Amino acid sequence: GQSLEQPSEVTAVEGAIVQINCTYQTSGFYGLSWYQQHDGGAPTFLSYNALDGLEETGRFSSFLSRSDSYGYLLLQELQMKDSASYFCAVSTDSWGKFQFGAGTQVVVTP
Amino acid sequence: GAVVSQHPSRVICKSGTSVKIECRSLDFQATTMFWYRQFPKQSLMLMATSNEGSKATYEQGVEKDKFLINHASLTLSTLTVTSAHPEDSSFYICSAEGADTQYFGPGTRLTVL
Repeated sequence: GQSLEQPSEVTAVEGAIVQINCTYQTSGFYGLSWYQQHDGGAPTFLSYNALDGLEETGRFSSFLSRSDSYGYLLLQELQMKDSASYFCAVSTDSWGKFQFGAGTQVVVTP
Repeated sequence: GAVVSQHPSRVICKSGTSVKIECRSLDFQATTMFWYRQFPKQSLMLMATSNEGSKATYEQGVEKDKFLINHASLTLSTLTVTSAHPEDSSFYICSAEGADTQYFGPGTRLTVL
């Protein structure tokens, strides 16, 4: 079977740094994506890692280690608007077909 | 950037009726689209892969006769929930492959009474 594990909830204060880990077990692997979803909204794409290493996009960075079947999303300089659910997702056989993790609820407090 | 739209955004229907949801890629052609379902406070679950001009590929456990998918053009895929029941109430989201990323539609919230 396939599984993706990520923490269910993380709470942090404005300005802090949060790291959301994701470990996966899948039959195939093309890449690891991260998505943000606010309550009632659709997911929005944050990042995609196909190769090992760190990808930085503004305040958000994503890391992948294929040998460890592990990745993380790093949220820096947290803002209130970053309060949302964050999903890791693995592409197992083609670019657009993803299996999603259960999601991590990030709560940012003043 | 690329945009994917869905229509309707919200629908309420009676049990036993059928509901059609449209997914359109507005400024790019999508030979492949994906349909996901998300129950409250849960993750997105892939239902099926919609391929333009051919039959959809359904994930294990998804009834192909209940969730009819048609991908008649490079910009439109439709999902029809047939004989809907309250347990089909969910957030249905489509996505389409762009040149360098996957684009999600805004979702359709279905409530079956």
